[in-house]
Amino acid sequence: GAGVSQSPSNKVTEKGKDVELRCDPISGHTALYWYRQSLGQGLEFLIYFQGNSAPDKSGLPSDRFSAERTGGSVSTLTIQRTQQEDSAVYLCASSLVSGTGSNQPQHFGDGTRLSIL
Amino acid sequence: QKEVEQNSGPLSVPEGAIASLNCTYSDRVSQSFFWYRQYSGKSPELIMSIYSNGDKEDGRFTAQLNKASQYVSLLIRDSQPSDSATYLCAANSNSGYALNFGKGTSLLVTP
Repeated sequence: GAGVSQSPSNKVTEKGKDVELRCDPISGHTALYWYRQSLGQGLEFLIYFQGNSAPDKSGLPSDRFSAERTGGSVSTLTIQRTQQEDSAVYLCASSLVSGTGSNQPQHFGDGTRLSIL
Repeated sequence: QKEVEQNSGPLSVPEGAIASLNCTYSDRVSQSFFWYRQYSGKSPELIMSIYSNGDKEDGRFTAQLNKASQYVSLLIRDSQPSDSATYLCAANSNSGYALNFGKGTSLLVTP
């Protein structure tokens, strides 16, 4: 079956521009996550969506970052006024809803490699 | 203190040997633990999940969890060159759903 789909796979843009990254989760997965992986760093949690609940935005590094999820499926992560430190691989993951006491495994897309010149 | 810690390696093992990858975590409320494999330039791929103390086996892979020691490990039996990758350990955070990842251990299996 289809996995998590992300686009674009690569994005090069100039400092100060806005970028929009897209994620299409696995069909039937109600939970969606965005992470960031910088060179030599571990994955850093950004934001979490679960169904129609308010998203957990606690990992967003600044107010230049925002995300939305329309219709409980596709999500877009927007970075405004990009800075060079935003350069990283942005990974989207999805999972079935987690139950009390245990988490459903998260499955990752191939990521978007963002380079800010 | 990092929430999930792993030795960065590289860990080098000969083909056919057992590779042992270790991970410690600091948040005692973590209940779910995962091992991901990440090839260079690729996204993380789920290998194992473990939720209870003890061992969990899946093919050549065995995950071990010791909540008292806050320790998770991954054993890879009969290691193959294709197992050469970075292995990421993850534990659920105190939010319950977001994962805290270690920086990964680089494994090299030599023919």
